[in-house]
Amino acid sequence: QKEVEQDPGPLSVPEGAVVSLNCTYSNSAFQYFMWYRQYSRKGPELLMYTYSSGNKEDGRFTAQVDKSSKYISLFIRDSQPSDSATYLCAMSVPSYSGAGSYQLTFGKGTKLSVIP
Amino acid sequence: KAGVTQTPRYLIKTRGQQVTLSCSPISGHRSVSWYQQTPGQGLQFLFEYFSETQRNKGNFPGRFSGRQFSNSRSEMNVSTLELGDSALYLCASSKGQGAYEQFFGPGTRLTVL
Repeated sequence: QKEVEQDPGPLSVPEGAVVSLNCTYSNSAFQYFMWYRQYSRKGPELLMYTYSSGNKEDGRFTAQVDKSSKYISLFIRDSQPSDSATYLCAMSVPSYSGAGSYQLTFGKGTKLSVIP
Repeated sequence: KAGVTQTPRYLIKTRGQQVTLSCSPISGHRSVSWYQQTPGQGLQFLFEYFSETQRNKGNFPGRFSGRQFSNSRSEMNVSTLELGDSALYLCASSKGQGAYEQFFGPGTRLTVL
């Protein structure tokens, strides 16, 4: 079992729909949870990060973490064609070397298309 | 503020050759991490450097190496290239106190023939 599981999609929705993207994980040591957006031929762009269980909202985006279920979600409200991209979840755990160093583990990404 | 820059953007090499990729972090960022991205494996962590020291290393063979300079710029080197090394190599920088805020460059697309 991989440490982070993410449905690769593709996911296709009409403009204006609410999009739900999800990841599950197995490592209880994960402390920070992030969502990145990656457009074609670009590097990933950090959208949001959370530390504790609960919700965090930023504009049309809401990140949700449920540590007891080892499950994180990203909701996109009023989706736009410009939201069409691959969304990657990522989680960090302190590395073996300590010294404030963390290592990111990524899901494989979900490809989202928002149809006008 | 300028973002993370990576050079070159595209590279074509043949098996057995070696390659060096370069990354310039965001000004003020002291930590640089490298990742390999492929369609099959996704984003995989290679290594992290902070203040010219490798702090963390992923599960890659010794053919993959890196270094960081005093100005925080970083290079990664892949020796004896294999076909399976074809990938997008991404560099990310952070201030260094936690990996949760990592900012990625556009990547170097390496093709090994």
